[in-house]
Amino acid sequence: GAGVSQSPSNKVTEKGKDVELRCDPISGHTALYWYRQSLGQGLEFLIYFQGNSAPDKSGLPSDRFSAERTGGSVSTLTIQRTQQEDSAVYLCASSKGSPGNTIYFGEGSWLTVV
Amino acid sequence: AQSVTQLDSHVSVSEGTPVLLRCNYSSSYSPSLFWYVQHPNKGLQLLLKYTSAATLVKGINGFEAEFKKSETSFHLTKPSAHMSDAAEYFCVVSVLAGNKLTFGGGTRVLVKP
Repeated sequence: GAGVSQSPSNKVTEKGKDVELRCDPISGHTALYWYRQSLGQGLEFLIYFQGNSAPDKSGLPSDRFSAERTGGSVSTLTIQRTQQEDSAVYLCASSKGSPGNTIYFGEGSWLTVV
Repeated sequence: AQSVTQLDSHVSVSEGTPVLLRCNYSSSYSPSLFWYVQHPNKGLQLLLKYTSAATLVKGINGFEAEFKKSETSFHLTKPSAHMSDAAEYFCVVSVLAGNKLTFGGGTRVLVKP
């Protein structure tokens, strides 16, 4: 596609429910990133995929968070048993994966846990 | 390890006056540096990037930034602010092949008429 596509753009869910957020990166991009942007917290790294390498999961805040990337393309971020503190904008980005390559961001998925 | 410090959390300028957003970084390796802008309720848009070529980098919308290795700085400037420049700006560093990005805390710019 023309850019990084994320869905849903907005999601309101009840505390304790599971949510899935989808990211469709730019075609041909081998690197994919998930970030979280919370009010007053700035941008927080969650997870990074690069080609067929094992993902860097060092930023996932708890074992309720997981992500996968199928076929080296689309990625899904799953949050289980959502809590109110999970409310944030979840941003996906992709790049060609080499140093200095431009990193393109999607518009984000706005998650509200009530 | 790498880190980025944006020295001002808020900057207020009058329309038509210069804008300066300060960014300092630390990195064990030669970094790639980026500036992104985020308008309210919008995604992040790349303004410009430095990747070890020219140290003075020109970006979109009249912005430019200068990489100064001796000062470990990558400050963003624009000669004349426009109302549409009101947004939040992020300085970002990346090292090694496609490594995770490290974001500064952001600088929110207010442009007064």
